[in-house]
Amino acid sequence: AQSVTQLGSHVSVSEGALVLLRCNYSSSVPPYLFWYVQYPNQGLQLLLKYTTGATLVKGINGFEAEFKKSETSFHLTKPSAHMSDAAEYFCAVSEKVEYGNKLVFGAGTILRVKS
Amino acid sequence: DAGVTQSPTHLIKTRGQQVTLRCSPISGHKSVSWYQQVLGQGPQFIFQYYEKEERGRGNFPDRFSARQFPNYSSELNVNALLLGDSALYLCASSLEGATEAFFGQGTRLTVV
Repeated sequence: AQSVTQLGSHVSVSEGALVLLRCNYSSSVPPYLFWYVQYPNQGLQLLLKYTTGATLVKGINGFEAEFKKSETSFHLTKPSAHMSDAAEYFCAVSEKVEYGNKLVFGAGTILRVKS
Repeated sequence: DAGVTQSPTHLIKTRGQQVTLRCSPISGHKSVSWYQQVLGQGPQFIFQYYEKEERGRGNFPDRFSARQFPNYSSELNVNALLLGDSALYLCASSLEGATEAFFGQGTRLTVV
């Protein structure tokens, strides 16, 4: 079974500072990796995904992530934090099930942005 | 285009009762998945359905069941509710073969 570890359940940054949210995965096959964001009392919104090809993936709202196979990592970054980025972020890996696939999520990282 | 829609948005049930949650996928999406998100944790996979057939099942008891209708909408049923079933239930839809899933806003279930 595949798994995802998100280092740091809470991350606090100042507005305008670099955002770095860490994600490590375990997978026996080339992974499909995702970052989702969840605002309070809402569902999950896809930020970006890695399937194949370029290892640096750009997403919405200025976020990007780099797939590093040697480190089994898929860290999420944004050069300059904005107050609206405050939310919970989930890293996920796709895993096969009987005849389909599912997402395996990490425990999430709550991002706080200080003014 | 409308996204994934779920109903109701909130509900409160008593232990031992039964509950039905509903989901309408994005137009053109034939696959629907259900996830349970307990407070403070990441979502956990419950079921995936495609063309009315169960494609996968997570590690949940038989009290949890689901079905998909010809219009690709889906229902999740939970019987004999326990306090531990209190959670946000998320529905996601996707195209066949796609790993990318689009989520609804969820149904917040509180069991008292």
